[in-house]
Amino acid sequence: GESVGLHLPTLSVQEGDNSIINCAYSNSASDYFIWYKQESGKGPQFITDIRSNMDKRQGQRVTVLLNKTVKHLSLQIAATQPGDSAVYFCAETLNTGFQKLVFGTGTRLLVSP
Amino acid sequence: DGGITQSPKYLFRKEGQNVTLSCEQNLNHDAMYWYRQDPGQGLRLIYYSQIVNDFQKGDIAEGYSVSREKKESFPLTVTSAQKNPTAFYLCASSGPPGTALEGGYTFGSGTRLTVV
Repeated sequence: GESVGLHLPTLSVQEGDNSIINCAYSNSASDYFIWYKQESGKGPQFITDIRSNMDKRQGQRVTVLLNKTVKHLSLQIAATQPGDSAVYFCAETLNTGFQKLVFGTGTRLLVSP
Repeated sequence: DGGITQSPKYLFRKEGQNVTLSCEQNLNHDAMYWYRQDPGQGLRLIYYSQIVNDFQKGDIAEGYSVSREKKESFPLTVTSAQKNPTAFYLCASSGPPGTALEGGYTFGSGTRLTVV
């Protein structure tokens, strides 16, 4: 069945370091992937996304890498700041018909000053 | 501003009581969802609705009920049959079925339900 998993439940980094959060997915037909950030006591917020016809999407501080061969997704945050501390979820979906997201367990990112 | 509003933010329930969590959106989204989140865990789908007057069970629907009488509203009732209801409940919405899911879901800010 569909599943999205994360390799590390908690990632601790120092301020200014680069962070890499990983995600494995099992449905090779999934064609749209999203990263969410959830701060304590709040709902998840969209960070970035990537479609299966791409292998990299780069933003100002955030980069998403997609490796369809091994069904692996990663979120890279450059120059991590204390405000980046949160739980990060990946999600996958098939972009046909009704799109229902499948969420991963989540990784907690802790940034120390 | 368009958004999705959940209320109340905190809710306390006595054992044996039913409680209803509110979710309202003004994004003109057709699809709405309810998720449960336990501490340190991911999101589990309770119910979802693709269109008004229609809804489907998610992965953990037992002990919950929903209605979708209006496009804007998707209330969740936690019944006394739900044996462990203490959790963080999240409502979400997304655009029309059959369209590209750009940006995924829009989430509300959540309701924290505690059984006392």
